[in-house]
Amino acid sequence: GNSVTQMEGPVTLSEEAFLTINCTYTATGYPSLFWYVQYPGEGLQLLLKATKADDKGSNKGFEATYRKETTSFHLEKGSVQVSDSAVYFCALIDNYGQNFVFGPGTRLSVLP
Amino acid sequence: IAGITQAPTSQILAAGRRMTLRCTQDMRHNAMYWYRQDLGLGLRLIHYSNTAGTTGKGEVPDGYSVSRANTDDFPLTLASAVPSQTSVYFCASSDEQGYGYTFGSGTRLTVV
Repeated sequence: GNSVTQMEGPVTLSEEAFLTINCTYTATGYPSLFWYVQYPGEGLQLLLKATKADDKGSNKGFEATYRKETTSFHLEKGSVQVSDSAVYFCALIDNYGQNFVFGPGTRLSVLP
Repeated sequence: IAGITQAPTSQILAAGRRMTLRCTQDMRHNAMYWYRQDLGLGLRLIHYSNTAGTTGKGEVPDGYSVSRANTDDFPLTLASAVPSQTSVYFCASSDEQGYGYTFGSGTRLTVV
């Protein structure tokens, strides 16, 4: 079945540091890939997405590129802020629009 | 404001009691979902509904039931709560393609 693997957290960085959160997936066909963010006490919000190979999703300074050859969708940001502290979930949905699968989440803490 | 409303926000429930978590959306999305979020396990799908009048089982359906009498409402019922059902529950909805995925703000349930 489909699955998503993320790097284990927590990840602790200083403000303005470079962020990478690794995400790899296993899926049949051509899934769409997503990153969701969950701020403390809130629900999940879509951060960015990519629907086909080599697409780059971007939002709020975050980027992720759909790499079919390595089945990866790593999240990056060049300079994190304290306000980026949250839990980040990598997710995929198969090409039938069903079976949305989430990774376990990676907690990011950014220190001033 | 378009989105998903969940109620209650939090609840402490005695084991053996019956409880219904409410979820209402106003986006006219056909598909709705219930997830539970547990530390280290990410989000796991409990039940889903692709359209009003139909429901299906997700990854962890045991001990839960759902109904979908209309497009807007998708209540989740615990017939006889057990401590292992202590979790944060998120309702979500999406369009047919799965791209308009929207989450509610969650219900924190503690079964004692």
